[in-house]
Amino acid sequence: GAGVSQTPSNKVTEKGKYVELRCDPISGHTALYWYRQSLGQGPEFLIYFQGTGAADDSGLPNDRFFAVRPEGSVSTLKIQRTERGDSAVYLCASSLLARGDEQFFGPGTRLTVL
Amino acid sequence: AQSVTQLDSQVPVFEEAPVELRCNYSSSVSVYLFWYVQYPNQGLQLLLKYLSGSTLVKGINGFEAEFNKSQTSFHLRKPSVHISDTAEYFCAVSDRPEKLVFGKGTKLTVNP
Repeated sequence: GAGVSQTPSNKVTEKGKYVELRCDPISGHTALYWYRQSLGQGPEFLIYFQGTGAADDSGLPNDRFFAVRPEGSVSTLKIQRTERGDSAVYLCASSLLARGDEQFFGPGTRLTVL
Repeated sequence: AQSVTQLDSQVPVFEEAPVELRCNYSSSVSVYLFWYVQYPNQGLQLLLKYLSGSTLVKGINGFEAEFNKSQTSFHLRKPSVHISDTAEYFCAVSDRPEKLVFGKGTKLTVNP
């Protein structure tokens, strides 16, 4: 079956611009996660959704970052006023239920802020 | 807060040799432990996980890991590696599985 998909695979933008990154989870998965992986680092937790609501957004670095999941399926990570330090690979994962279940990761979106 | 230390950033080995990738964690509470693998240009894939029970965990592709609570370690092992095992391996810890804390990764290179 289809795995987690993320679009676009690559995004190049200029400092100060707004970007949206999309994640399509595995069908039926109720939990959805966003991570950020900077060069030479492991993935860093950003936010976790259970259904439509953000159950834990403690990893969002500041108020320029926002994520939504309005219908409990597709999620969009939104970054306002991008900065060069936002350049990273943004990973999305989903799982059937949060507790103890494997998180299935998408291939990521590589964001480059010039 | 949890943290993960992967002691080796790069590990080169020859094909059919054994390998151990080291992972130490810190946490003040009971933890769940995971190993993920990332092949070039692919997403992260779960190799194995420890939630409770037996401290020796077997995963996919012949990998296994042992949870050692007294040494706060969760080292990954494989008795004989293949060229296809070349990838980056990430150890992760959580006090609840929905919020993983990852290490910086270990790049395993298997040479012929």
